[in-house]
Amino acid sequence: KQEVTQIPAALSVPEGENLVLNCSFTDSAIYNLQWFRQDPGKGLTSLLLIQSSQREQTSGRLNASLDKSSGRSTLYIAASQPGDSATYLCAAHSSASKIIFGSGTRLSIRP
Amino acid sequence: DARVTQTPRHKVTEMGQEVTMRCQPILGHNTVFWYRQTMMQGLELLAYFRNRAPLDDSGMPKDRFSAEMPDATLATLKIQPSEPRDSAVYFCASGLPRGVNTEAFFGQGTRLTVV
Repeated sequence: KQEVTQIPAALSVPEGENLVLNCSFTDSAIYNLQWFRQDPGKGLTSLLLIQSSQREQTSGRLNASLDKSSGRSTLYIAASQPGDSATYLCAAHSSASKIIFGSGTRLSIRP
Repeated sequence: DARVTQTPRHKVTEMGQEVTMRCQPILGHNTVFWYRQTMMQGLELLAYFRNRAPLDDSGMPKDRFSAEMPDATLATLKIQPSEPRDSAVYFCASGLPRGVNTEAFFGQGTRLTVV
């Protein structure tokens, strides 16, 4: 059974810092790893999707990496801004499109 | 602007009442997911469909929950009878598999409160 873990549960950093969010999964037989952002009281917004054959994906200030052999993914945010404050969730896609989520990292960027 | 639409956005109901949540997936998407989010459990997969057929509903309490796709443009999640422990935000997501890859797009959720 796939389990997805995100550490830390919460993170607070000053504006402008680069930061890394971590995600680990127990079953390396995944198809994709997807990162989402969730603002309070809102739905989930897809940030990046890394296919199992890829090692990383980039979008603007975001870079996500995937290491299937070690069961880890990281989301790197460069030059953080207060608008980046949100909960970030990673999700592992198993066979037949089953998507399992981690519990999220609540990120706060201090002005 | 293609997006997943969920109705209602908020629902308050009394224990024992029937609750029906609706989801309109993005046009052309053939995979639909239902998730429940609570503070304690995070996001839990309840069920998902491919081409309107349920592929996995093992995460859903069968005695009171049911999920259907009457047609390709509508997915429903029903709770009967509802209980206070069902209070949560229910999300619907849709996707279109490309090979083995399915990127999921989420709706805004239905916030359910059972009193």
